[in-house]
Amino acid sequence: EVLLVESGGGLVQPGGSLRLSCAASGFIFSDQYMDWVRQAPGKGLEWVGRIRTQPKGHSTDYAASVKGRFTISRDDSKKSLYLQIRSLKIEDTAVYYCVRATSDGDWLDPWGQGTLVTVSS
Amino acid sequence: DIQMAQSPSSLSASVGDRVTITCRASQSISRALNWYQQKPGKAPRLLIFIASNLQSGVPSRFRGSGSGTDFTLTITSLQPEDSATYYCQQSYSIPTFGGGTKVEI
Repeated sequence: EVLLVESGGGLVQPGGSLRLSCAASGFIFSDQYMDWVRQAPGKGLEWVGRIRTQPKGHSTDYAASVKGRFTISRDDSKKSLYLQIRSLKIEDTAVYYCVRATSDGDWLDPWGQGTLVTVSS
Repeated sequence: DIQMAQSPSSLSASVGDRVTITCRASQSISRALNWYQQKPGKAPRLLIFIASNLQSGVPSRFRGSGSGTDFTLTITSLQPEDSATYYCQQSYSIPTFGGGTKVEI
């Protein structure tokens, strides 16, 4: 069974930092692009960013709204995906989903259960 | 970025009804369009990929069509368990989602 389990969410003050993790199992992690998608309370889905595979240099792309503050990384040996978030803003409050993006990023499946990040003073 | 305009934003229908949700891209995306279903408190679930391909385990009453800029998700006979919010997503370039359609029974 393909499984993605996020962790690391919590309550953070504005300006703070947080590192989210995603543990993958049930598939060849190193062969797949991986994405982060977030959803603010009561709002729609917002794509956050992507990290590609080693043959693609583990290259990354980010949404304009997070570029420069968010960093996606991966450890293929640990089958783990990470999202480092800096300079957190109130509007970063959301559930953050770890998602497999297939070998070419054509579609997103499956999704993790999500981890809630709350930015508040 | 490619913008995805989804309509309607919400709808109410009865069990057995045929329901249609549309998604329009701001530029041609060929068939690089996916559909997801999200129930309250749950993660989204892939329904349709590459415009018209049914994901494994998804009931056949869900159908996707379209190409270029205009796409449609059709539920041919609405069931109580289809109450959810549906999102389109383009994968032609940096991913973007439509705003969602809330379907109430």
